[in-house]
Amino acid sequence: DVKVTQSSRYLVKRTGEKVFLECVQDMDHENMFWYRQDPGLGLRLIYFSYDVKMKEKGDIPEGYSVSREKKERFSLILESASTNQTSMYLCASSLGQGTRNQPQHFGDGTRLSIL
Amino acid sequence: DAKTTQPPSMDCAEGRAANLPCNHSTISGNEYVYWYRQIHSQGPQYIIHGLKNNETNEMASLIITEDRKSSTLILPHATLRDTAVYYCIVRVAGTYKYIFGTGTRLKVLA
Repeated sequence: DVKVTQSSRYLVKRTGEKVFLECVQDMDHENMFWYRQDPGLGLRLIYFSYDVKMKEKGDIPEGYSVSREKKERFSLILESASTNQTSMYLCASSLGQGTRNQPQHFGDGTRLSIL
Repeated sequence: DAKTTQPPSMDCAEGRAANLPCNHSTISGNEYVYWYRQIHSQGPQYIIHGLKNNETNEMASLIITEDRKSSTLILPHATLRDTAVYYCIVRVAGTYKYIFGTGTRLKVLA
């Protein structure tokens, strides 16, 4: 079974802090994704990566950056956390190019609160 | 981008088949349909996906109409643990992008 592990289930940070959310997958997947999920808005794609050191913006990249130094790890960074970034953050992974029909597999999420 | 429409909620008796419909009338020829479910406070769990043929796995069956404008997810013998929000998703052609709708909240009743 695919395992996508997010480092924290719950996290509380203060406005202005730099926040790191970590995600690790164990299936040698090329693609990794970061989403946020908010009531009434569904899941929205923040960033995705299709290879080590490669990244593309999703629908709502403002206020976020990402890092992918190793294939199995994809980090989401909130450069200066703000209260409107309080949300559930979900990481996902999938097989890579030539296999776009392969499903994404999600972690259990990090519920982040910015005070 | 193809969008999906699902009923907001459904009930199903435990042990009966749960049939969850999804409309995706603007789907294009090479766009797949995916089904996920999300139990409260967990991440979405992949269930099944298909292009045009019916599919079955250990969790569920997926029936796609011949014109591909709608599909039905079938949980053959629903249990209380199947209570969740079920999402029907179309992946935007040529991208990795999923379009998540608001899903169907399925409640399995004892």
